[in-house]
Amino acid sequence: GAVVSQHPSRVICKSGTSVKIECRSLDFQATTMFWYRQFPKKSLMLMATSNEGSKATYEQGVEKDKFLINHASLTLSTLTVTSAHPEDSSFYICSAGIPGRPQETQYFGPGTRLLVL
Amino acid sequence: QQPVQSPQAVILREGEDAVINCSSSKALYSVHWYRQKHGEAPVFLMILLKGGEQKGHEKISASFNEKKQQSSLYLTASQLSYSGTYFCGTEAFFSGSARQLTFGSGTQLTVLP
Repeated sequence: GAVVSQHPSRVICKSGTSVKIECRSLDFQATTMFWYRQFPKKSLMLMATSNEGSKATYEQGVEKDKFLINHASLTLSTLTVTSAHPEDSSFYICSAGIPGRPQETQYFGPGTRLLVL
Repeated sequence: QQPVQSPQAVILREGEDAVINCSSSKALYSVHWYRQKHGEAPVFLMILLKGGEQKGHEKISASFNEKKQQSSLYLTASQLSYSGTYFCGTEAFFSGSARQLTFGSGTQLTVLP
């Protein structure tokens, strides 16, 4: 299977600061990556679809100015949580898949646990 | 729309069997099954494409009934390592590039010694 990395794995920040999370596809090129948010004991909620070379597509209710997504290359997408507040504390996970193959799936990064104090 | 998973939680003893169901109100192209351990990212188990196929992965197998828009995950002779939360992810059509999945609410499986 494909490998997706995420960095950092854990971050603690003060309220009002910005945090950048990186998602990389290590052994394949991903024109599309997905960003999810997961609260404890809840399902994965899609936040946005990151498209290489173009604007991200955000799900309804997700503030695009707060969660900035940049997909600058075929192997890297970044999510920046701007002016973070305690309610932004969550588990953020990215995923990517090998395009064009019906038998392929999405592969998840290891996730980033964000705690905003 | 989020697929519905059942049961929400199940507790087993080692060696017992379990079935987890995933049901959608929309026609499906594929169903993807994942297992997530606490504090970790979901790990891919298997994908089923429309065609009603059944697949197996060690003692874990799954079926997909496209007419009923349902998939079931079968865990036989469960092991302690099977504990975790199981998610189904559904896909309405194959886009060729991005595989945008909609995830169910999850089934928490606990295997006791």
